[in-house]
Amino acid sequence: GQSLEQPSEVTAVEGAIVQINCTYQTSGFYGLSWYQQHDGGAPTFLSYNALDGLEETGRFSSFLSRSDSYGYLLLQELQMKDSASYFCAVRRGSTLGRLYFGRGTQLTVWP
Amino acid sequence: NAGVMQNPRHLVRRRGQEARLRCSPMKGHSHVYWYRQLPEEGLKFMVYLQKENIIDESGMPKERFSAEFPKEGPSILRIQQVVRGDSAAYFCASSPPVLNTEAFFGQGTRLTVV
Repeated sequence: GQSLEQPSEVTAVEGAIVQINCTYQTSGFYGLSWYQQHDGGAPTFLSYNALDGLEETGRFSSFLSRSDSYGYLLLQELQMKDSASYFCAVRRGSTLGRLYFGRGTQLTVWP
Repeated sequence: NAGVMQNPRHLVRRRGQEARLRCSPMKGHSHVYWYRQLPEEGLKFMVYLQKENIIDESGMPKERFSAEFPKEGPSILRIQQVVRGDSAAYFCASSPPVLNTEAFFGQGTRLTVV
């Protein structure tokens, strides 16, 4: 089987930096994806890490350590619109759409 | 280029009725995935289809649920004899036949069983 652990809630103020951690236990690990979801809408792809290290995309960065079965999503210069749920998801094979999701972290950004 | 289109957006069914959820993948995408999301939870994989083929249905309940992706037309997730526990958001995602690309999700269908 597989399991993913991430905090259920995180709060921060505008302009701050927040880190959302994700630990996983799974067989056949291929990579770790991050998705954003606003108010139950369409999950939106943010990033994907297959190798150890940091991937940077604008204000968002994602990190993976395969040896520690650990990753995180780093959000910088927080804006109110970043308030959403953030999901880490394990990819177990070559098909990117075949994902195992965590329960999600609700991020609230205060003014 | 339209995104992944799901309809209806909201569906209300009485217990025992059938629910049909449709998903039109993005243009050029031949891989379709269905996920279910309960309130305050992550998405749970149900089934992965390519045109006219079910590739992986390991997340599908053994009874009452079926999925298809015909050569022509949208992918259909069908739930027969719905029960209250089927109430959830059902999301469809699609990806092209090229590896190492992201999957794009639709807006989902919110099924309510009354």
